[in-house]
Amino acid sequence: DIVLTQSPDSLAVSLGERATINCTSSQSVFYSANNRHFLAWYQLRPGQPPRLLIYWASTRESGVPDRFSGSGSGTDFTLTISNLQAEDVALYFCQQYTSTPHTFGQGTKLDIK
Amino acid sequence: QVQLVESGGGVVQPGRSLRLSCTASRFIFSYYAMHWVRQAPDKGLEWVALMSSDGSKQHYGDALKGRFTISRDNSKNTLYLQINGLRADDTAVYYCARDNGGPVGAFDLWGQGTMVTVSS
Repeated sequence: DIVLTQSPDSLAVSLGERATINCTSSQSVFYSANNRHFLAWYQLRPGQPPRLLIYWASTRESGVPDRFSGSGSGTDFTLTISNLQAEDVALYFCQQYTSTPHTFGQGTKLDIK
Repeated sequence: QVQLVESGGGVVQPGRSLRLSCTASRFIFSYYAMHWVRQAPDKGLEWVALMSSDGSKQHYGDALKGRFTISRDNSKNTLYLQINGLRADDTAVYYCARDNGGPVGAFDLWGQGTMVTVSS
């Protein structure tokens, strides 16, 4: 199984500043046939279902503010949240969908400093 | 609007069985592969199972094989998850989610979840 490890486990960032969350995969999630990385990022707020933010490692889902961006390749990926807003307080998860089981990272808790 | 609605959760005794349902609205359900994902209290997300759009293929999380069965009825726009031999560590919110890929992709639509509590 592909193991995803996120860092840090938690972080606190001031409003208006940048938050960076990392995700490292135990194996490559790149699929050469379509030249894409099978890596997604989700936001989970209390009492709400998960929300897809980023897929194919860097493609922003429709309706997601452009403050959210994804980057990386191979086995190392990053979710960056610029100009942090109060509503961004949440848990964030990376996920690989290269192969089953479609594993998730352990999650990163983001708070306001 | 386009949505998924789960049902069937509740408080169940250990060892009993439960069938969860997920009903889709306002999109062509039969076009999409579907998943179940769960979140135990104060834990992260755990992928549970996948069913292909036509119901011909299923995959399960490694620790869940044997007790969990995913199925679907495209004529009813409904996805199911049968859980047998419930254990305390099955206590979680169970979400169904739509796969946006063709055939494999991220999960772009989620239901609100249904809570399963296993307790005597």
